[in-house]
Amino acid sequence: SQKIEQNSEALNIQEGKTATLTCNYTNYSPAYLQWYRQDPGRGPVFLLLIRENEKEKRKERLKVTFDTTLKQSLFHITASQPADSATYLCALLNYGGSQGNLIFGKGTKLSVKP
Amino acid sequence: EPEVTQTPSHQVTQMGQEVILRCVPISNHLYFYWYRQILGQKVEFLVSFYNNEISEKSEIFDDQFSVERPDGSNFTLKIRSTKLEDSAMYFCASKRDRALWLGANVLTFGAGSRLTVL
Repeated sequence: SQKIEQNSEALNIQEGKTATLTCNYTNYSPAYLQWYRQDPGRGPVFLLLIRENEKEKRKERLKVTFDTTLKQSLFHITASQPADSATYLCALLNYGGSQGNLIFGKGTKLSVKP
Repeated sequence: EPEVTQTPSHQVTQMGQEVILRCVPISNHLYFYWYRQILGQKVEFLVSFYNNEISEKSEIFDDQFSVERPDGSNFTLKIRSTKLEDSAMYFCASKRDRALWLGANVLTFGAGSRLTVL
């Protein structure tokens, strides 16, 4: 079955540094991959989507890469700020699903220290 | 910006009781979903709903669960006889159109309803 792994449960970095989060998947060839942000007690909020034919996607201080050979996506936050502290989830379309339900990774909890 | 609204934000219930969680999706959205997240675990798909019927459901969504769209704006999740293991955050989500392959499968989630079963 399709599996998504986010290798780090938690990542602590200093303000101003670049945070890099990893998402790996198996038994799957997704057409695209999504990243969401989740704050405590809140629902996921969509950040970025990257398609299989895109190597890289940027949005302000966010950058996502997608390597379909390695079956991996990297999510970068440059010039990180304490306000970036949250859990970041990667998500793939459940390929067997008719209406495209998403499979989420467990998330990486990012803490940015001032 | 349009929002998905969920009520109640927190519900405490006794095991065996019925619970109804309510959602108001974004008004021009056509596809509706319920997901749940047990504390410290992944966000998991429960059910999708389109054109007034269930289009897909997961193994979690057994006979104790049901969904309906009673009045064209609300979307509800009912749990008939709650169990301890139903304690979780329940998220409603919606999206406008099908367009799976164009990457338009971006969901807008509500803030969630925390269900505590005692």
